[in-house]
Amino acid sequence: DGGITQSPKYLFRKEGQNVTLSCEQNLNHDAMYWYRQDPGQGLRLIYYSQIVNDFQKGDIAEGYSVSREKKESFPLTVTSAQKNPTAFYLCASSIADFTNEQFFGPGTRLTVL
Amino acid sequence: QKEVEQDPGPLSVPEGAIVSLNCTYSNSAFQYFMWYRQYSRKGPELLMYTYSSGNKEDGRFTAQVDKSSKYISLFIRDSQPSDSATYLCAMIFMGGKLIFGQGTTLQVKP
Repeated sequence: DGGITQSPKYLFRKEGQNVTLSCEQNLNHDAMYWYRQDPGQGLRLIYYSQIVNDFQKGDIAEGYSVSREKKESFPLTVTSAQKNPTAFYLCASSIADFTNEQFFGPGTRLTVL
Repeated sequence: QKEVEQDPGPLSVPEGAIVSLNCTYSNSAFQYFMWYRQYSRKGPELLMYTYSSGNKEDGRFTAQVDKSSKYISLFIRDSQPSDSATYLCAMIFMGGKLIFGQGTTLQVKP
């Protein structure tokens, strides 16, 4: 089955730790995205990548980092510099740019203890 | 002022009701308009995608765009309990990024 997988589903982090969220897609999509969702705020773009080995900051990139070494994979690292990391993180992909339909993964809920 | 405004609700209706979900926006450059449905603790899924002003129908769902008023709507006819979810509007202009509304939580009671 084609789709997007995210792991883990739930993640707990102690303050001061870096954590990496996994995102994999087998849709052969060029573009991949990371969003953060907080209650009452919709989805906010963290990073996006439209081609392998290239990525761009979104609206709230501070405290996050990404890599795009393979077309299928776009991991997100939440660093200790992110002051309020507790949120629901969603990965998405699309054929090309933002005007194309984005397909979302099931999300990872990160909680800082 | 946010670029896209959406009433967060929650909105509670009886089964069979007609539901109207709305978004307003401030940037007249937006060209493409989408509605996503998100069930609890799941990723959003695309429901409707429209380009121009006017109506687009798909089964029980109708998306309406009024560019002159900077207003979009999603109508759900004969609402079902399975329609209970959060509905997100989203929009984009060519070369831009997708901008989401805050989402409206809908509950359809049997």
